[in-house]
Amino acid sequence: QQPVQSPQAVILREGEDAVINCSSSKALYSVHWYRQKHGEAPVFLMILLKGGEQKGHEKISASFNEKKQQSSLYLTASQLSYSGTYFCGTAYSTAGGTSYGKLTFGQGTILTVHP
Amino acid sequence: DAGVTQSPTHLIKTRGQQVTLRCSPKSGHDTVSWYQQALGQGPQFIFQYYEEEERQRGNFPDRFSGHQFPNYSSELNVNALLLGDSALYLCASSLRGGKSNQPQHFGDGTRLSIL
Repeated sequence: QQPVQSPQAVILREGEDAVINCSSSKALYSVHWYRQKHGEAPVFLMILLKGGEQKGHEKISASFNEKKQQSSLYLTASQLSYSGTYFCGTAYSTAGGTSYGKLTFGQGTILTVHP
Repeated sequence: DAGVTQSPTHLIKTRGQQVTLRCSPKSGHDTVSWYQQALGQGPQFIFQYYEEEERQRGNFPDRFSGHQFPNYSSELNVNALLLGDSALYLCASSLRGGKSNQPQHFGDGTRLSIL
């Protein structure tokens, strides 16, 4: 089952903040966040492992709530370069504990930053 | 340090034909995954190759097959092409057998159009 991302689209002015959520109905092993600009490949942002981690990358950070099976991506003081479609890719926990690289992607969140 | 490279960048085929897409992983990576991305959608997992074997497969028919070579590069073959196969085909490589705690890095993709 595909994870559900919300919102579907966000429009910001430079300097504003945004939060993108990714929810799963299945137990998550890891969540991978990507940004894709039109006509380009998805670019890896960060990976969150089960355990409620929070990670940061410049002004972009993310959290993983294992209880809710949800991850959130936080973009602070947005810049024009942040525009694009953000995808979460999820890997699910298995009975054996080890999970291999099949990622199931959400439908994407389109982020537009205006000057 | 070269990233993931894919060839060709664009391809136009007609229904019923066969196509081969190629991928060279990032230096040091040993695992290759293939994804299909339809317009406006997130990538969908086709299969993953590790140690020259198909390790995992998504919900794609047998018309989709692949191969991994001793140098870790990979090919995706699609037979009996259908109009619905038109999409961006993405290759992603990762380290350490493609465990889900490892990031996957995408190539720029091959845009396949079926007439």
